[in-house]
Amino acid sequence: AQTVTQSQPEMSVQEAETVTLSCTYDTSESDYYLFWYKQPPSRQMILVIRQEAYKQQNATENRFSVNFQKAAKSFSLKISDSQLGDAAMYFCAYRSATITSGSRLTFGEGTQLTVNP
Amino acid sequence: DGGITQSPKYLFRKEGQNVTLSCEQNLNHDAMYWYRQDPGQGLRLIYYSQIVNDFQKGDIAEGYSVSREKKESFPLTVTSAQKNPTAFYLCASTLSARYGYTFGSGTRLTVV
Repeated sequence: AQTVTQSQPEMSVQEAETVTLSCTYDTSESDYYLFWYKQPPSRQMILVIRQEAYKQQNATENRFSVNFQKAAKSFSLKISDSQLGDAAMYFCAYRSATITSGSRLTFGEGTQLTVNP
Repeated sequence: DGGITQSPKYLFRKEGQNVTLSCEQNLNHDAMYWYRQDPGQGLRLIYYSQIVNDFQKGDIAEGYSVSREKKESFPLTVTSAQKNPTAFYLCASTLSARYGYTFGSGTRLTVV
C-alpha cells in the first residue's frame, strides 16, 4: 500500500518570504499523480497544485510550485511571496493511475503553515 | 454552479443512535468518497464508490455503512457500532484518476 509522509507538523514564514513544505511517498508504481491540498480554518479542502508522475517538468500555479523528484519519491511545495491568506493546513496526497485503485487519494498527515505579518 | 453539498454542517448524536450524513453532487462525477478527519491526523478513507449500486470499503469502514442508489448521492450512516464517531467528515467526488477531488464543506459529528 502507498504511504505519504509529511515530516513537518508545523511551519512558519514571514509575509512576503518563501517557504517549502516537504512530502515523501512510498510506492512501487511508475504511473501516478501527486497533489497538494490546502485546508484553511473554514476546513474547505482546496486543490493547490497537481503533478503527473510521467511528466518531468515541475508543476507551477502562480506563487505555488513543486519540486518533484521521482527517483527520491519526494514532492515538495514551494510558496513564494507568502501572503496571510496562505495560512492553512497543507496536505500532500498520492493517487495511483491504475483503474483498480478506485482513484482513491492517500493523504499525508498535514503541515500547519503559519504566516507572520 | 456545480459542486458538492454536505448536510448538515453540525450533527449531534446520542450514544447508541445511528445517524446519516448527506452528500449530493451535481458535477456528473462517477466516483464518490467519504473521508474522516481527526485532529492531528490526515484524512482517512471510509468508503468509496466508482459507480451506482457499487461501493468498496476503505481503510476504516468498521462501524459505517453507505449506499449509492443514485449517481448524485452517496450518504454515509454512522452506526452505533462505531466506537469513536466524533470527527469531521468530508465527502468528495472526481471525474477520473488524473484529476483531483472536489470536496464538500464537511460535517462535524459530535457524540453527546
